Amino acid sequence: QKEVEQDPGPLSVPEGAIVSLNCTYSNSAFQYFMWYRQYSRKGPELLMYTYSSGNKEDGRFTAQVDKSSKYISLFIRDSQPSDSATYLCAMSGYGNNRLAFGKGNQVVVIP
Amino acid sequence: GAVVSQHPSRVICKSGTSVKIECRSLDFQATTMFWYRQFPKQSLMLMATSNEGSKATYEQGVEKDKFLINHASLTLSTLTVTSAHPEDSSFYICSARGEGPHSYEQYFGPGTRLTVT
Repeated sequence: QKEVEQDPGPLSVPEGAIVSLNCTYSNSAFQYFMWYRQYSRKGPELLMYTYSSGNKEDGRFTAQVDKSSKYISLFIRDSQPSDSATYLCAMSGYGNNRLAFGKGNQVVVIP
Repeated sequence: GAVVSQHPSRVICKSGTSVKIECRSLDFQATTMFWYRQFPKQSLMLMATSNEGSKATYEQGVEKDKFLINHASLTLSTLTVTSAHPEDSSFYICSARGEGPHSYEQYFGPGTRLTVT
């Protein structure tokens, strides 16, 4: 079993819809959870960062972490064509440098 | 804040030559920098971790004599691909991790596309 599982998609949604992305993981030591957005041929951009369980909201983006289920989610409200990108989940443990990445989920928002 | 730059953004070189890629943290001090490789439509593959002033730690299967990493200062790390071959063609991305509020977040550079002919 891989440390982090993420369905690569692709996921197509109409403009204005809610985009729902998720990752599952197996390592209970993970404490820090991140979502990155990557446009084609660009480096990943940090979108959301969450420590331990709970919700975090930033504008149209909401990140949720459920450590008991080892499940994290990212929601994008009122999606825009500019949200079309690949979204990667990533996580690490306390005192651990290394990030474990999901495969990335390609999202296409159709105008 | 938390900006990481990479140079060059793309490079084409001939087989057998060496290529150096620079990674800089522009507005914070990066105690740790990471080098990744990414193939088309695939996730990031960690190649090595470097801490300022010490030797890099390479992931299993990554040739340290081929991919030389130097982290000479808190704002600069370099990756040198030595004796490059076509199979080294890839997208190389660095990231940096700082201290304090940036300590568990990694900020990525824009990437360098290497093509070896």
